[in-house]
This record gives sequence, C-alpha cells and structure tokens, in this order.
Amino acid sequence: GAGVSQSPSNKVTEKGKDVELRCDPISGHTALYWYRQSLGQGLEFLIYFQGNSAPDKSGLPSDRFSAERTGGSVSTLTIQRTQQEDSAVYLCASSPPPGLNEQYFGPGTRLTVT
Amino acid sequence: RKEVEQDPGPFNVPEGATVAFNCTYSNSASQSFFWYRQDCRKEPKLLMSVYSSGNEDGRFTAQLNRASQYISLLIRDSKLSDSATYLCVVRTGNTDKLIFGTGTRLQVFP
Repeated sequence: GAGVSQSPSNKVTEKGKDVELRCDPISGHTALYWYRQSLGQGLEFLIYFQGNSAPDKSGLPSDRFSAERTGGSVSTLTIQRTQQEDSAVYLCASSPPPGLNEQYFGPGTRLTVT
Repeated sequence: RKEVEQDPGPFNVPEGATVAFNCTYSNSASQSFFWYRQDCRKEPKLLMSVYSSGNEDGRFTAQLNRASQYISLLIRDSKLSDSATYLCVVRTGNTDKLIFGTGTRLQVFP
C-alpha cells in the first residue's frame, strides 16, 4: 500500500518568506509526527498529533513554527519568516493505533533558506 | 546530558566482521526501545524492536540492560549493504513520542 508521502520534496526559499510543508500519512494511522534533521545531525522532534489534536508541541523551536492536522489525516507544517538556520530535512512519520509501535517515515522535504 | 547517547563512529569494518553498537539512555522510566536504520539521504526505517530478554533477527541481535540503561546492537557477518547509520530510539512512559539518538555510522568495506 501507499506509504507516507510528503510534498514538496525540495524547497528553496528566500529568508523571510513563509513556507508550508505537507504530510500525507498512511491511511488509518492515527498518530502523526514531525521531525527535522540538519546535515549530519540526529532527528529533532518537533510536534506530534493524535488525531487532530497535538498533545506535545514541545519541540517547536520558536513561535514561527506551527502545524495543524485536519480530518485526522493530512498535516501541514508552516514556518513563518524563514531563517537560514531553518534549513534542514523535515521528516514526517505516522504510526497505527495505538501509536506505540513502529513509526513509518516519509521521504522528507529538504528545505533550503537562502 | 542528551536523553539518548550513541558513539557517532564511523565504524569501518571489513565484510564478514562482527560489529557492536552501544547506546545509553538517561530516563529510567523509558519503556520501549528500537533500532532504526537510515541510509544516506533517506528516511529512517525500523530495523528491530529491543525486548527485555534480548532478541535476534538473522544476523542482528539486540540486547537491553535496564539496570545500566544500556542498549546494544550486534551485527554478525557484515555485508556491504549493512553500511548505514544506526539510530537508537527510546520511548518513555506511555507517550507516543520517540527520542532518537544521533546515530552510529557503519561503513563495511570489501
């Protein structure tokens, strides 16, 4: 079946612009996660959703970052007024209920802020 | 101190070698443990879960030592295709949140 998909696969933007990154989880997966990974670094947790609610937003680096999930499915991560340090690969993952097991990752969106 | 710590490597080993990776975690309330594999410029994928009694999947053996808060991964008879970064992953309590280590890079050479 279809895996987690993310779009766009690559995004180059100018400093100060807003960007939206999209994640389509595997159908039926109730939990959805956003991470980012800078070059040569580990995965940094950003936020996770259980259904449409976000019990844990603790990883969002600043108030320029926000995310939403609608219909228990697609999620959008928005970064406002992008900065060069926002350049990274943004990975989305989903897991089936009860959400305590394997996370399935999408291919990521590579964001470059110039 | 990081919640999950790993030796970044790289570990450079010849084909056929046995190699072991270690990982320590700081939260004694951690309940679930995993090893993920990440190939260069690819997304992470689950390699195996780690059970209290230790578990084996083919050439891969994972062990957990709760007293020392230590997880290990042993790879026997290394293949060129094992070259990747191995991520130690921990879940604490009943949350859905996973904490990833920064990974240990393995390079297997002919």
